[in-house]
Amino acid sequence: DVKVTQSSRYLVKRTGEKVFLECVQDMDHENMFWYRQDPGLGLRLIYFSYDVKMKEKGDIPEGYSVSREKKERFSLILESASTNQTSMYLCASSFPGDTEAFFGQGTRLTVV
Amino acid sequence: GENVEQHPSTLSVQEGDSAVIKCTYSDSASNYFPWYKQELGKRPQLIIDIRSNVGEKKDQRIAVTLNKTAKHFSLHITETQPEDSAVYFCAARYQAGTALIFGKGTTLSVSS
Repeated sequence: DVKVTQSSRYLVKRTGEKVFLECVQDMDHENMFWYRQDPGLGLRLIYFSYDVKMKEKGDIPEGYSVSREKKERFSLILESASTNQTSMYLCASSFPGDTEAFFGQGTRLTVV
Repeated sequence: GENVEQHPSTLSVQEGDSAVIKCTYSDSASNYFPWYKQELGKRPQLIIDIRSNVGEKKDQRIAVTLNKTAKHFSLHITETQPEDSAVYFCAARYQAGTALIFGKGTTLSVSS
């Protein structure tokens, strides 16, 4: 069974804090992704990585950075959290090519 | 980059009716088109996908059609059941090594 696990289900942080969202997959997938899900806006791509230490910006990278030091782990970093980053964050992973992307359970982040 | 438009945003049908969700994409180089279903409080999961060398694909009560000339693809659900109620997302990927770009989602409600 494929497992994509996000470190927290719910998170509350203060404005200006540095926030780390962690994602781990156990399927040896090369590709990993971070999406943000907001009502009416669907799933928007923040960053993705197709290999260790490689990263590509998605459609909404502003205010975020990522780290992929190991193949199984992909971290999303909010350098200075703001209230407009309150959202559901979804991590996903897949093999290269036309293959299924498996999602984590999501982290609902609230910035107050 | 790729842009995916999805319609309608909400769809209500009676049990047993058919449901159709339509998506258009912008990049003619896109070649992979999956559909994901997200039940309330759960993670998105792949239900069906189609590649650009195929015009139609069927899996029991669900089917996807692709019109490459018009750059649109559709999800068809026949004999809908209450358990089909969920948010459905279409997606497109314009080349290998890039991430899926999702539509904004369709909330399908099936009433018995």
